[in-house]
Amino acid sequence: DSGVTQTPKHLITATGQRVTLRCSPRSGDLSVYWYQQSLDQGLQFLIQYYNGEERAKGNILERFSAQQFPDLHSELNLSSLELGDSALYFCASSVDQGVGYGYTFGSGTRLTVV
Amino acid sequence: DAKTTQPTSMDCAEGRAANLPCNHSTISGNEYVYWYRQIHSQGPQYIIHGLKNNETNEMASLIITEDRKSSTLILPHATLRDTAVYYCIVRVYNAGNMLTFGGGTRLMVKP
Repeated sequence: DSGVTQTPKHLITATGQRVTLRCSPRSGDLSVYWYQQSLDQGLQFLIQYYNGEERAKGNILERFSAQQFPDLHSELNLSSLELGDSALYFCASSVDQGVGYGYTFGSGTRLTVV
Repeated sequence: DAKTTQPTSMDCAEGRAANLPCNHSTISGNEYVYWYRQIHSQGPQYIIHGLKNNETNEMASLIITEDRKSSTLILPHATLRDTAVYYCIVRVYNAGNMLTFGGGTRLMVKP
């Protein structure tokens, strides 16, 4: 157990639907990062939140949004889903300042769009 | 963050040392070398990091050349469980932003 909790582990949904992925960061970590990993592809950074505020944005589609709540958990919302959105979605957390060794990843949510 | 170049894939016999190279010829003086690995479909896991001295921990050793333009991650006695994609990342120590992953090296440890 890395300390970063992601739910659900698996999600199967139809095209056009909306889903919410949840992430609870490791205790004490203020930053949350979302990554997408499509089949046999690299890890693509989507978005970062720090203590409730959006800090950085990567290649995140307009159909996707995220937020970080006062208790520091984060949710990634994916809407108008397409087949190409099928992927593993990872959440990571880090302490303030994002020291390079201090990133802890969750076990991911596998999203399948049918 | 400095760009890194790694071989796409490597094989290693179980019980032998696995030596994974990384080229980072444009590394700046304040950038560290970090290694993470991703075992199939799991989240990436931190392995080791260094600035210019060689480093060793319970998982691996990191050898950085004197000019810091390349490094090698060494798994001294590879096991089947070490089969994974290994990522070499170069960045400032406390950049405060996301980790950027390249393609990494897919290490296959064979019996």
